[in-house]
Amino acid sequence: NFMLTQPHSVSESPGKTATISCTRSNGSIASSYVQWYQQRPGSSPTTVIYEDNQRPSGVPDRFSGSIDSSSNSASLTISGLKTEDEADYYCQSYDSTTRVFGGGTKLTVL
Amino acid sequence: EVQLVQSGAEMKEPGESLKISCKGSGHSFTTYWIGWVRQMPGKGLEWMGIIYPGDSDTKYSPSFQGQVTISADKSINTAYLQWSSLKASDTAMYYCARSEMATMGYFDYWGQGTLVTVSS
Repeated sequence: NFMLTQPHSVSESPGKTATISCTRSNGSIASSYVQWYQQRPGSSPTTVIYEDNQRPSGVPDRFSGSIDSSSNSASLTISGLKTEDEADYYCQSYDSTTRVFGGGTKLTVL
Repeated sequence: EVQLVQSGAEMKEPGESLKISCKGSGHSFTTYWIGWVRQMPGKGLEWMGIIYPGDSDTKYSPSFQGQVTISADKSINTAYLQWSSLKASDTAMYYCARSEMATMGYFDYWGQGTLVTVSS
């Protein structure tokens, strides 16, 4: 098994760019796709990125995902930040038998 | 429109049993996997397990194996999560979510969540 480690919190100003990292503890980050979920307070999670860098329909192109094998991590980048982007963000990946979520990152836009 | 509608909030005492549900509509219920995700108060998401209603193939997270039972009734497009003896530590929000695959793939639709409170 493996773990996914995210920063507890990230803060950035409106209009700026925020990046949230997700580091895999063992095994290659490239061996399994990474998804990213957004959860606003009091709401169910929704997908903002799947399969490392794919956006579901309806998700603005301000959201992008990438992986970096050198640091064994994935990243979610949100450009042109809006106050509505303030939420918890979770990365998620898998191995042959289980899915694993990262601990979540609280994004504050102020 | 794809929807996953979960049963309502529950308040139970330790030691009681409970079965919560997740009813799908707007898609072929038997050709997608339905997973369950726990969120304890103020905490993150935890994957509990997943079921394929078409043949009831079920996979559990090692953390939840033996602690809960996941089942489905394809005749009524409903998946279930049940406990035989609740503990205070089972207090959490529980979400069901749809995926094309058991462990690969992402959760594209989520239920609204069922809040379970276990207290004496």
